Amino acid sequence: DIQMTQSPSSLSASVGDRVTITCRASQSISSYLNWYQQKPGKAPKVLIYAASILQSGVPSRFSGSGSGTDFTLTISSLQPEDFATYYCQQSYTYPRTFGQGTKVEIK
Amino acid sequence: QLQLQESGPGLVKPSETLSLTCTVSGDSIKSGSDFWGWIRQPPGKGLEWIGSISYSGTTYYIPSLKSRATISVDTSESQFSLKLSSVTAADTAVYYCARNFFDSVTYRSYFDPWGQGTLVTVSS
Repeated sequence: DIQMTQSPSSLSASVGDRVTITCRASQSISSYLNWYQQKPGKAPKVLIYAASILQSGVPSRFSGSGSGTDFTLTISSLQPEDFATYYCQQSYTYPRTFGQGTKVEIK
Repeated sequence: QLQLQESGPGLVKPSETLSLTCTVSGDSIKSGSDFWGWIRQPPGKGLEWIGSISYSGTTYYIPSLKSRATISVDTSESQFSLKLSSVTAADTAVYYCARNFFDSVTYRSYFDPWGQGTLVTVSS
C-alpha cells in the first residue's frame, strides 16, 4: 500500500496568514493526488485534484503543487471559513489511501 | 445535481453484519468510467477507504477488510451497498458513500460528491 504522510498534524494560524500543508507519498504517484477539506460534522469536500487543478467553485486562495512523492496545499490568505481539517489522498493505485489529516486552528 | 444518501442501522451488535445502502439521485449510476465508493471515519480519527465498485460490478477493496467486506450494486434501484461481517467495536465509525469520479480530461479520479455520512456504532 502507498502510505501518505501529512505535516504538520495541526497548526494554529491567524486570519490573513499564508498556510502551507505538505503531503508525502511512500512511492512516486506522479500527480495522482487530491486534497479535501472537512469541517466538523460534515463530509469531506474536494478542493484540488490531479495535484494542482482547482475544483469548480473552490476559492482561488487555495492552490496545490507537487509531483512524484512531495506535494503542497497552500492557502494564500486564511479566511475564517477555512478553519478545518485537510486530507490528501492518492488515486494512483488501489487501495486508495489518505493522509492522516492536518487540522488548521485559529490562533 | 448528483446526490448520495446513506441508509442503514445505526447500531450493530458485535459479531453481526453491518449493512448500509447508498442511494444515488440526480444522475445515472451507470455514468461512464466512474466508480462508487465507501469510506469510513472512526470518531475523532482520519479517513479510511473501504472499497469501490463500478456499475458493472467490478470491485476493489482495502486488503485489511477484504475478507469481511462485500460491496454490491443495484443499477435498477440506483443504489450500491456495503456489507461488513463479524464486526467489532473497531468498526464503529461514520460511514460515507461517495462517487469516485473519473475525469476523462486529466485521467485522474477523486471522490465527489459525498453523502452526509451515517454513524454506525458496534455495541451489545
